[in-house]
Amino acid sequence: KNQVEQSPQSLIILEGKNCTLQCNYTVSPFSNLRWYKQDTGRGPVSLTIMTFSENTKSNGRYTATLDADTKQSSLHITASQLSDSASYICVVSPYSGAGSYQLTFGKGTKLSVIP
Amino acid sequence: DSGVTQTPKHLITATGQRVTLRCSPRSGDLSVYWYQQSLDQGLQFLIQYYNGEERAKGNILERFSAQQFPDLHSELNLSSLELGDSALYFCASSVEGLRGETQYFGPGTRLLVL
Repeated sequence: KNQVEQSPQSLIILEGKNCTLQCNYTVSPFSNLRWYKQDTGRGPVSLTIMTFSENTKSNGRYTATLDADTKQSSLHITASQLSDSASYICVVSPYSGAGSYQLTFGKGTKLSVIP
Repeated sequence: DSGVTQTPKHLITATGQRVTLRCSPRSGDLSVYWYQQSLDQGLQFLIQYYNGEERAKGNILERFSAQQFPDLHSELNLSSLELGDSALYFCASSVEGLRGETQYFGPGTRLLVL
């Protein structure tokens, strides 16, 4: 069964500090992996997307890494800001062909950045 | 703003009732996905439509149904509602790129069944 596990479930950090969120997946065959940011009560917004051949991708202060051999990904947030407080969701897309992309979502890591 | 709109934003109803959630995809996007997110749970894929036709089904209950109209907007119908159906319902529309498909999510409809 395709699964995506994220850790930690929740995290509290001081403003200005760095943090790293983890994602392990069992989805196979694998097409791509995305990290989404979801503010409370709002729809997820894509941060990064990586295919199996890419091992790092940056978007401003967000840097995602991917190890397709160990099926692990991480999201590193640098110099955190209060606005980074949100849930960060790891999403894996299996290759299913026929234009259907049934994504498997992790439950997310809830990040709280405090002053 | 993702460009995907959903109405209504909030919906309160009673058990046994039927409701319809509406989604308008981004201009030009042919695919619409529906998801359910219960409290403290991850997003669960319900169903996908592509250019008016059902393309994939996920964990969608028989009490739920959806359709996509010729103008590409979509509706999710929930009937015989139960307390456990209370959740956020998101739709997403998608576009394919070099790295695969990117889904753009709407703001969601929060359903509360009393």
